[in-house]
Amino acid sequence: DTEVTQTPKHLVMGMTNKKSLKCEQHMGHRAMYWYKQKAKKPPELMFVYSYEKLSINESVPSRFSPECPNSSLLNLHLHALQPEDSALYLCASRPGQWNEKLFFGSGTQLSVL
Amino acid sequence: QKEVEQNSGPLSVPEGAIASLNCTYSDRGSQSFFWYRQYSGKSPELIMFIYSNGDKEDGRFTAQLNKASQYVSLLIRDSQPSDSATYLCAVNFGNEKLTFGTGTRLTIIP
Repeated sequence: DTEVTQTPKHLVMGMTNKKSLKCEQHMGHRAMYWYKQKAKKPPELMFVYSYEKLSINESVPSRFSPECPNSSLLNLHLHALQPEDSALYLCASRPGQWNEKLFFGSGTQLSVL
Repeated sequence: QKEVEQNSGPLSVPEGAIASLNCTYSDRGSQSFFWYRQYSGKSPELIMFIYSNGDKEDGRFTAQLNKASQYVSLLIRDSQPSDSATYLCAVNFGNEKLTFGTGTRLTIIP
């Protein structure tokens, strides 16, 4: 298995809803990332988990809550989002060393109404 | 503030020609450099990575790194319409954070 799998592919939610994004990889990678990408902009880093511990939080609002239950799974819990949070949310994994390449999942297109 | 800069384009290249994409970065101590291709509405796909000064070739793609001048480039030979996409340059500035440039939109003209 050489993929990073994200679910769901599309999500529409209201500002009072609670939802979760899921990311899985079975490549034995030791680090997992959440990026946010708005249209015609580059991906912006949100969180990094390294060896199942949160190593980077790019001052993300608390309405986004990451969780790494094990080395293969990464979740992003969403609560009380704003319309401006609508974006493509990308998960990525990294094999080991900090300077290695990232492998991206196909993303979740999120719309907040 | 550590930055990665790219010309946003659009860059138009005739089919069969060489497309040249450039990227500059702000930190001389940066160690790893990546080129990702992104089609509209899709996720980034790794095209090339390079760690050392010089050229690295993989099929039609060549990555060139010059650490003294702080630039990295991507050459695409024999450009095909399927190469039309946004190309993102990404740099590790010495930690786990991979920072992306704004991307260059490339259009291959048949």
